[in-house]
Amino acid sequence: DVVLTQTPPTLSATIGQSVSISCRSSQSLLHSNGNTYLNWLLQRPGQPPQLLIYLVSRLESGVPNRFSGSGSGTDFTLKISGVEAEDLGVYYCVQSTHAPWTFGGGTKLELK
Amino acid sequence: EVQLQQSGPEVGRPGSSVKISCKASGYTFTDYVMNWVKQSPGQGLEWIGWIDPEYGSTDYAEKFKKKATLTADTSSSTAYIQLSSLTSEDTATYFCARISISRRDFDYWGQGVMVTVSS
Repeated sequence: DVVLTQTPPTLSATIGQSVSISCRSSQSLLHSNGNTYLNWLLQRPGQPPQLLIYLVSRLESGVPNRFSGSGSGTDFTLKISGVEAEDLGVYYCVQSTHAPWTFGGGTKLELK
Repeated sequence: EVQLQQSGPEVGRPGSSVKISCKASGYTFTDYVMNWVKQSPGQGLEWIGWIDPEYGSTDYAEKFKKKATLTADTSSSTAYIQLSSLTSEDTATYFCARISISRRDFDYWGQGVMVTVSS
């Protein structure tokens, strides 16, 4: 199974600060069809996860453009350019290239 | 508006089974694959499997192959997960989440169902 390793596990930020979260895969997430199925989710406390980014870097409709995704192969990054209070919660990367689909362990974003 | 409305909390005895539903609305049910995801208390997310409602085909993570059974009723646009031989390890919140075949993106989620295994 593909293992996704997220770092850091916890991130403390002030409002307005820019932060990045890393997601490293144990194998390439490039599918034979040319797509890389790496998504980013945010789970706020007591809520189901919500989709932020799909196909590595595509912003889901309605998601603020302070969120951006990048990367290829085995190394991926989610960047928040100017954290806002509503961004607090746990961020997960999830790959849907190789079955079984797998999630990263999560990165908790807290206010400093 | 796309909605995935899940059934209410469940309490099951050890060794019994529970069945959770996820009713879809606001889109064509058979155009998307439905996934199920487990979240144990205070823990991360774990993929259980998916069902393609159009064909009834399924895929499961290895550890859930004997635990979970996924079904779908296209007449009511409802997906189901049945969890069998319950143990304390099955106490968790279970989410349904749809994906599109082209994006494989988990774009809509149900609110989650808490299953508690207790004697």
